[in-house]
Amino acid sequence: NAGVTQTPKFQVLKTGQSMTLQCAQDMNHNSMYWYRQDPGMGLRLIYYSASEGTTDKGEVPNGYNVSRLNKREFSLRLESAAPSQTSVYFCASSRGQGVYNEQFFGPGTRLTVL
Amino acid sequence: QKEVEQNSGPLSVPEGAIASLNCTYSDRGSQSFFWYRQYSGKSPELIMFIYSNGDKEDGRFTAQLNKASQYVSLLIRDSQPSDSATYLCAVKGTSYDKVIFGPGTSLSVIP
Repeated sequence: NAGVTQTPKFQVLKTGQSMTLQCAQDMNHNSMYWYRQDPGMGLRLIYYSASEGTTDKGEVPNGYNVSRLNKREFSLRLESAAPSQTSVYFCASSRGQGVYNEQFFGPGTRLTVL
Repeated sequence: QKEVEQNSGPLSVPEGAIASLNCTYSDRGSQSFFWYRQYSGKSPELIMFIYSNGDKEDGRFTAQLNKASQYVSLLIRDSQPSDSATYLCAVKGTSYDKVIFGPGTSLSVIP
């Protein structure tokens, strides 16, 4: 099993450009998440999907959109990139039921917006 | 008040010593608690979770939970240089399916 995969691993954008970050999991998990991680800020939740067909805003959703394409895939779109969106983006998944909710993370995407 | 707080560190301990990492949380209804380890440039990986008051041991790691004090800690016995990493505390609160992460504590184990 590959676990959680993300593409691309690295990306450089110019201000105003758009792009989509892809995430897929092969663990049959119900819930998927997008986080950004900035120095000294920890992991901040952008959007999450508790189950196929549902999405909800997290702590820092402005400037982003998401699509839960099917149970396996959850994409994050930046419509008009800004330098403030320079960060490392992690996708994660979990069973999403009960108290455990252990999350498994992908390898991350390092995004730089110039 | 932040929802999950940790000492940012860096915390330095000599090889073989006990490293103690602390975390406090604000949501009194929180149900479960996780410790993740993150090496520089890598993604977080789960090392422990706990949901009942008391201690939970797994090899060199012990998680301690005190819900009355809203406090969870991670002890690493016989610390090794390979334990040098950032440790993230995460808390599943009353909101369905959402986990809040603390800012992390950087640990350095000195040979």
